[in-house]
Amino acid sequence: QQQVKQSPQSLIVQKGGISIINCAYENTAFDYFPWYQQFPGKGPALLIAIRPDVSEKKEGRFTISFNKSAKQFSLHIMDSQPGDSATYFCAASSGGSNYKLTFGKGTLLTVNP
Amino acid sequence: GAGVSQTPSNKVTEKGKYVELRCDPISGHTALYWYRQSLGQGPEFLIYFQGTGAADDSGLPNDRFFAVRPEGSVSTLKIQRTERGDSAVYLCASSLEGLDHGGYTFGSGTRLTVV
Repeated sequence: QQQVKQSPQSLIVQKGGISIINCAYENTAFDYFPWYQQFPGKGPALLIAIRPDVSEKKEGRFTISFNKSAKQFSLHIMDSQPGDSATYFCAASSGGSNYKLTFGKGTLLTVNP
Repeated sequence: GAGVSQTPSNKVTEKGKYVELRCDPISGHTALYWYRQSLGQGPEFLIYFQGTGAADDSGLPNDRFFAVRPEGSVSTLKIQRTERGDSAVYLCASSLEGLDHGGYTFGSGTRLTVV
């Protein structure tokens, strides 16, 4: 059972455009939702995270939107740059096990110059 | 060190052989995690250490997999009687205490290929 479903599997965006990646979860106990960025040959790196007490969090060009009732959250990358080309993973964890992340399958983002 | 260090970066082994994968966490990080990332998939949780003890090993797929952290720092993931299905990137991560303090820092992983 896949607890965190991520879409799309791949995404191509022009430089300067907006990249949007969506995730949906099933476990209502989840209360921490991070996004990780992974470049080839490297481990995932934390990009931005949100807890369900807020509906949106913005850090620079990266924004998480969170819809608790729909059990969905999304990553928006504004003014996308070629250097943003990477694989992005959404993840979730629950307070009862605030050490264990359940990851989505990832989205390969390509930003064309 | 400045980051999480994993060695070797690549390991090719024959089916049935024993392998050890090493992880050096960030100095002072008490929590250490092992994840496995198969091709085209997100990382999957294997085991979590708090200090020297395995606080949660529920993600280990079977008894061929074992991990230790004897002094609360370096950890070794051990795989016995390797199978072709064990081929994956094994990621180690560390953190101060759980996820509440800025999340994990992952290493670059060990790519294990079983032939």
